[in-house]
Amino acid sequence: KAGVTQTPRYLIKTRGQQVTLSCSPISGHRSVSWYQQTPGQGLQFLFEYFSETQRNKGNFPGRFSGRQFSNSRSEMNVSTLELGDSALYLCASSRLAEGYNEQFFGPGTRLTVL
Amino acid sequence: AQTVTQSQPEMSVQEAETVTLSCTYDTSESDYYLFWYKQPPSRQMILVIRQEAYKQQNATENRFSVNFQKAAKSFSLKISDSQLGDAAMYFCAYRSAIISDYGQNFVFGPGTRLSVLP
Repeated sequence: KAGVTQTPRYLIKTRGQQVTLSCSPISGHRSVSWYQQTPGQGLQFLFEYFSETQRNKGNFPGRFSGRQFSNSRSEMNVSTLELGDSALYLCASSRLAEGYNEQFFGPGTRLTVL
Repeated sequence: AQTVTQSQPEMSVQEAETVTLSCTYDTSESDYYLFWYKQPPSRQMILVIRQEAYKQQNATENRFSVNFQKAAKSFSLKISDSQLGDAAMYFCAYRSAIISDYGQNFVFGPGTRLSVLP
């Protein structure tokens, strides 16, 4: 079974631009979560989608948004990029949304904002 | 808001020895889940072990076991018979059982970097 895939793996943008990251979950998984990982702030939860609905949301500004499609693939969008948005963005999928379910992580997308 | 603390930024252990990684958390909730995740240098995070707060019995997965002390809000990870492949960053994580539109209900600690010495 293929793992979680994220595209692109690396991205360089400039301040003010917007970016869209993509995540394809493991086949059969309906829950997708997004995380931001930085050396300073560590790993922070962004949001979780289940069956195309956002179920949970972390403490991030409205510039960070996401969506999930009917095939469970998810996209994350960041508008008006700031230097502080440079990070590794991780996506994780699980079969169900209940908290105990194991999350399977993708390799991440490394975003650099210049 | 919930917080997770890992007081040991770095630790090292000799191959075949045992090491314990510490984790404490703060919450006012009674129902939640706790996890230990491992992130090797390749960056793919994988689940090591998980614990449901309502279960008193400590979870065990092969060489990995936890010491869950709910009253003390402590959730340490013990790795027995350490192997070179155990070298990684280890994250302790808390997940609320309550679904919320606001705030973080999935909180990670800052991580502990574990080195395994041959």
